Amino acid sequence: AQSVSQHNHHVILSEAASLELGCNYSYGGTVNLFWYVQYPGQHLQLLLKYFSGDPLVKGIKGFEAEFIKSKFSFNLRKPSVQWSDTAEYFCAVLPYQLIWGAGTKLIIKP
Amino acid sequence: DVKVTQSSRYLVKRTGEKVFLECVQDMDHENMFWYRQDPGLGLRLIYFSYDVKMKEKGDIPEGYSVSREKKERFSLILESASTNQTSMYLCASSPLIGLEAEAFFGQGTRLTVV
Repeated sequence: AQSVSQHNHHVILSEAASLELGCNYSYGGTVNLFWYVQYPGQHLQLLLKYFSGDPLVKGIKGFEAEFIKSKFSFNLRKPSVQWSDTAEYFCAVLPYQLIWGAGTKLIIKP
Repeated sequence: DVKVTQSSRYLVKRTGEKVFLECVQDMDHENMFWYRQDPGLGLRLIYFSYDVKMKEKGDIPEGYSVSREKKERFSLILESASTNQTSMYLCASSPLIGLEAEAFFGQGTRLTVV
């Protein structure tokens, strides 16, 4: 069965640290890839998405993600995090319907 | 701006009650989804609908049913609520399944069954 694995359930960083959240999926065919973010008390919203083309995708608020097909990975990165990035981040993969990772709670210490 | 509206932010119901969760979207999307979100489990799909009166079971449909009588409205029904259905319920809509099917989410309904 298809699955999405997010490596860390909780990540704690200090402001200005660099961030990388891992996401791996198990599906051999063509996929669309998403990162969603849920800020405290708010609804889930799209951070960035990959459908085709350049495997390095830039999203909102300085986030980017790189699709590495050979590794079945779509890791999320940000060079310097801010306290306002504290949120839960979800990776999702679309072979034919959305399959979600378990989420990573990111806490940024001011 | 796409808007997905869930009727309640918080609900407290008793075991055995019939519970209705309502969701309305205003962008004429064909697809609508109900998920439950639990810590450490991410989002799990309960049911989805790809057209009026059409529905498909997701990963965890047991104990739930759905209704889609109008394109803009998708209801989740707990026929007899149980404590293990205490959770955050998220409704989403998207324009199509397949390419570029970005999902838009409502604020969520936190249901507590006592």
